Amino acid sequence: EVQLLESGGGLVEPGGSLRLSCAASGFSFSTYAMSWVRQAPGKGLEWVAGFSGSGGYTFYADSVKGRFTISRDNSKNTLYLQMNSLRAEDTAIYYCARDYYSSGYYCDNWGRGTLVAVSS
Amino acid sequence: SSELTQPPSVSVSPGQTARITCSGDALPKKSAYWYQQKSGQAPVLVIYEDSKRPSGIPERFSGSSSGTMATLTISGAQVDDEADYYCYSTDTSLDHRVFGGGTKLTVL
Repeated sequence: EVQLLESGGGLVEPGGSLRLSCAASGFSFSTYAMSWVRQAPGKGLEWVAGFSGSGGYTFYADSVKGRFTISRDNSKNTLYLQMNSLRAEDTAIYYCARDYYSSGYYCDNWGRGTLVAVSS
Repeated sequence: SSELTQPPSVSVSPGQTARITCSGDALPKKSAYWYQQKSGQAPVLVIYEDSKRPSGIPERFSGSSSGTMATLTISGAQVDDEADYYCYSTDTSLDHRVFGGGTKLTVL
């Protein structure tokens, strides 16, 4: 069974930093692309960042480019999201998701999410 | 991928058929996917590649796509199907990923 467990969320002041982690199990982590998707309170889903399964390629939404960094440690089956220069509009539940490729990439399994609140 | 547009809400009585639409200019060329998100829970994939159903998803969930519109159909909707539903589409890259705004389905 695929399991994704996020951690690292919390309250941070504007301009601050936070690192999220996602521990994966139940599948061959290194062979899958992975993504972070967020959901602001009462709002819809927004894809944030992705990391390819091979080749080490990273991709970002324009809203976080230059501030967030996605990384992975395949030896630990863990995905990370380093968030710097945080803004109030980054307040959201952040979900870790496994990407599956057929005719395009889509998230086929999701974690339960971790809440990030940016406020002074 | 271009924008995806969904109606904000759909309401049906139990046992009726619920249809949720998703329109987008890229849909004639790209597959549509559908996620169900119940209150306080993570999204769950219910339809992929326009009309395929993942294992464990009830047969009452089906999908179709024609031209610039994709449709999620729930035949014989149940109270337990009340949730927000999001359509999604992408191209072959990892970074062009778009969700629709979501549709709140009410079954009562």
